[in-house]
Amino acid sequence: QKEVEQDPGPLSVPEGAIVSLNCTYSNSAFQYFMWYRQYSRKGPELLMYTYSSGNKEDGRFTAQVDKSSKYISLFIRDSQPSDSATYLCAMSGGIQGAQKLVFGQGTRLTINP
Amino acid sequence: DAGITQSPRHKVTETGTPVTLRCHQTENHRYMYWYRQDPGHGLRLIHYSYGVKDTDKGEVSDGYSVSRSKTEDFLLTLESATSSQTSVYFCAISERGSSGNTIYFGEGSWLTVV
Repeated sequence: QKEVEQDPGPLSVPEGAIVSLNCTYSNSAFQYFMWYRQYSRKGPELLMYTYSSGNKEDGRFTAQVDKSSKYISLFIRDSQPSDSATYLCAMSGGIQGAQKLVFGQGTRLTINP
Repeated sequence: DAGITQSPRHKVTETGTPVTLRCHQTENHRYMYWYRQDPGHGLRLIHYSYGVKDTDKGEVSDGYSVSRSKTEDFLLTLESATSSQTSVYFCAISERGSSGNTIYFGEGSWLTVV
């Protein structure tokens, strides 16, 4: 079993819809949780960064972490065609020193105009 | 943009040949990383560096070596390339922020081993 599980999709929704992307994990030592967005043939771009449990909002994006359930989510409100990309969750156990991230396999998202 | 440049961006090589990928950064970051990305696996850490001449193995280090003789350059070498090393390779750096170290990636190097 992988340390981080993420549904690879693909996920296709109409423009304006609310999108929910999720990851589950098995390592209780993870404390730092990230979401990256990756456009085709580009490097991953850091989208959201959260520590421990709770919510974090940035514009149309909300990241949620539930450590008791080992479950994290990314919500996209009022989705736009420009949000079409692969979304990767990532997590690590510490912030000091080298950050050895463990990634999910990514969810491919398409927003249809 | 975290000031990361990868070269070459695309390379086709033959099985058994050595290949070196270069990562160059301009902002004096201490930590540098090499990841590979494959369908169904996401990104996996190959090696990382925590300073000049200080490196350590990641999750999938077999068949790869690294070197860091200057702060700004982190080299990934495939001593004898195999078809299983066909992949996209991403260099990354850690940047210290108010909430801890966050990782930023370069644009990738596409390697095909035939």
